[in-house]
Order: sequence, then C-alpha cells, then structure tokens
Amino acid sequence: QSVLTQPPSVSAAPGQRVTISCSGSSSNIGNNYVSWYQQLPGTAPKLLIYDNNKRPSGIPDRFSGSKSGTSATLGITGLQTGDEADYYCGTWDSSLSGVVFGGGTKLTVL
Amino acid sequence: EVQLVESGGGLVQPGGSLRLSCAASGFTVSTNYMTWVRQAPGKGLEWVSVLYIGGWTFYADSVRGRFTVSRDNSKNTLYLEMNSLRAEDTAVYYCARGLSVEPGGDSFDIWGQGTMVTVSS
Repeated sequence: QSVLTQPPSVSAAPGQRVTISCSGSSSNIGNNYVSWYQQLPGTAPKLLIYDNNKRPSGIPDRFSGSKSGTSATLGITGLQTGDEADYYCGTWDSSLSGVVFGGGTKLTVL
Repeated sequence: EVQLVESGGGLVQPGGSLRLSCAASGFTVSTNYMTWVRQAPGKGLEWVSVLYIGGWTFYADSVRGRFTVSRDNSKNTLYLEMNSLRAEDTAVYYCARGLSVEPGGDSFDIWGQGTMVTVSS
C-alpha cells in the first residue's frame, strides 16, 4: 500500500489529453513539492515535472503538473503512442522523514 | 556527458551482504544530493535512501539499520552497503541525482541504468 494514491491505469486516444491524479496528505503533498516520473518498459525512470509544475530541460510542454491541497495532477496533451508508460508521483514525507512514491499509473494510448 | 553507472549487483544468499556502486561522470557527487531507489520485479518504485550534501542520511523503514549510504569524493562515487539481506530486497537498484534545491522538493533528474540484486538460496 503506497503512501501516495494513484489510479492503476488510464487510457485515451492519440491526440487527446489525459490527467493522472496523485493523492496524499498534509505530511507529504500538502507541505512539500511534487515530482512526476515516466518509466518506459525496461528503462530507468525519467523526471518529467519537479517542484509541482516545473519541467526539466528537454521535457516538452505537452507535460504539465499542478498541485492543490493534498493532491497533485499530471497532465499530458497531444497523446502519442510513445507516451505509453508507467507514471509515478513522488514527494518528501515529513512524518516518515523520507521520499515516498505513488503506486504508479499505467498509461495506454488506444 | 552527465551520467550514472551502477554496478555490484548479483545473486546473494539470505543474510548475506552486497555493496553497490554508482559512478558519476559529468558532475560532482559531493555537490549534489543523491538517492537510491529500488524496483522489485513487476512492482513500483520504492525509495531506499538519500544522502545530502552536508552528509545527512535518511533511510526507508524497510532498510534502516541494514543498509548504509556513503560516497567517496575522490572517486566521485556513491555506494550502498547492504547487510542482512532478505528475499524481499530482491529488486533493480537505481541511483539518481537530486535536482530541486527547495526544502521538501526532493526530485531526481539523472538516473543510472540500474543493477539487479537477487536474494535467494
């Protein structure tokens, strides 16, 4: 059971927009910054979003992040088949004194 | 090129020990915070440990007291010493570099390719 809750799967058609939610509590998302990672099959995770809504260099603006209260959302527009991957949210948990990840969401581009 | 390369994984018996290495190039380990994250076969990401610039370390409850993170500045390498290994420690272990400088903004932008650790008799 992960500290952060994500839907196990989401799906959408190519070109469409999808959102992935990440729910936590005041000890993690509510008072810390959220990051998002993409993991393509058989590869290491890749940072998509940090500090709630910032994109590292090289990440297209099709990917966006937001946070409200104890929840965060990753948005992906203009879906491509290459976006099929597992997506994870992460943040610091002040009560646990450690980093916590969501259980991951598998994105299928139909 | 900025990259991390892990090594040291392998098959070890329950109760045994293993030391993982994470060699950095293109940046300096001592001026970045660094983390270890693992992923059991078919499972999600599980954070293991973090080493901050000032030397502070934090561990997941599942490994505290058994694992130790450290760095060798002269070799620009991060380590994870794993003792009293259990079957549930079986996973791919990744090292990664910290990015955000915001307190509570732990995020990791450069990841290694991972090294597999299998704990089995």
